[in-house]
Amino acid sequence: DAGVTQSPTHLIKTRGQHVTLRCSPISGHKSVSWYQQVLGQGPQFIFQYYEKEERGRGNFPDRFSARQFPNYSSELNVNALLLGDSALYLCASSWAGREDTQYFGPGTRLTVL
Amino acid sequence: AQSVTQLDSQVPVFEEAPVELRCNYSSSVSVYLFWYVQYPNQGLQLLLKYLSGSTLVKGINGFEAEFNKSQTSFHLRKPSVHISDTAEYFCAVSANTGNQFYFGTGTSLTVIP
Repeated sequence: DAGVTQSPTHLIKTRGQHVTLRCSPISGHKSVSWYQQVLGQGPQFIFQYYEKEERGRGNFPDRFSARQFPNYSSELNVNALLLGDSALYLCASSWAGREDTQYFGPGTRLTVL
Repeated sequence: AQSVTQLDSQVPVFEEAPVELRCNYSSSVSVYLFWYVQYPNQGLQLLLKYLSGSTLVKGINGFEAEFNKSQTSFHLRKPSVHISDTAEYFCAVSANTGNQFYFGTGTSLTVIP
């Protein structure tokens, strides 16, 4: 079975631009979470979606938004990019989002210049 | 909210020697605990998890961890490490009523030939 997939793998943007990152969960998984991993740090929770509804939100500004589609794939959008947004963005999927193991994708490496 | 402290940022160890990576957590509610491994330029792979039951949990690649509620710890151990174990290891916690994972800052394990 295919694991969690993310696209693109790498992305370079300039300050002030907008970016959209995409994630396809493991087949049958209904929950998707997004994490930001800055170099040298652990992943920080951004959002969780379950059945197309937001279930949780981390301590990130409103420039960050996300949505989940009927096929359970998800998009993370970041507006007005800052240099500090440079990071590895990880998507994780799970069956139902509670007490379940989260399976991570390979991530999208975003560089903001 | 929950938090995780990984006490050692870097752990060098000789091949075939035992290793312990330390993790302490803080939470006002019951928790689930996880260890993930991250190889360079890759996403996170689940090593093992504690949800309930036996406090000694066995995972993949010969790793095991013990949940100690009184000491709020979940240390990861392996009796004999291999070169291929060189990677970044992350401890994570989630509340059993929630869906947000909190990660530690990671421990870089380097196995020396």
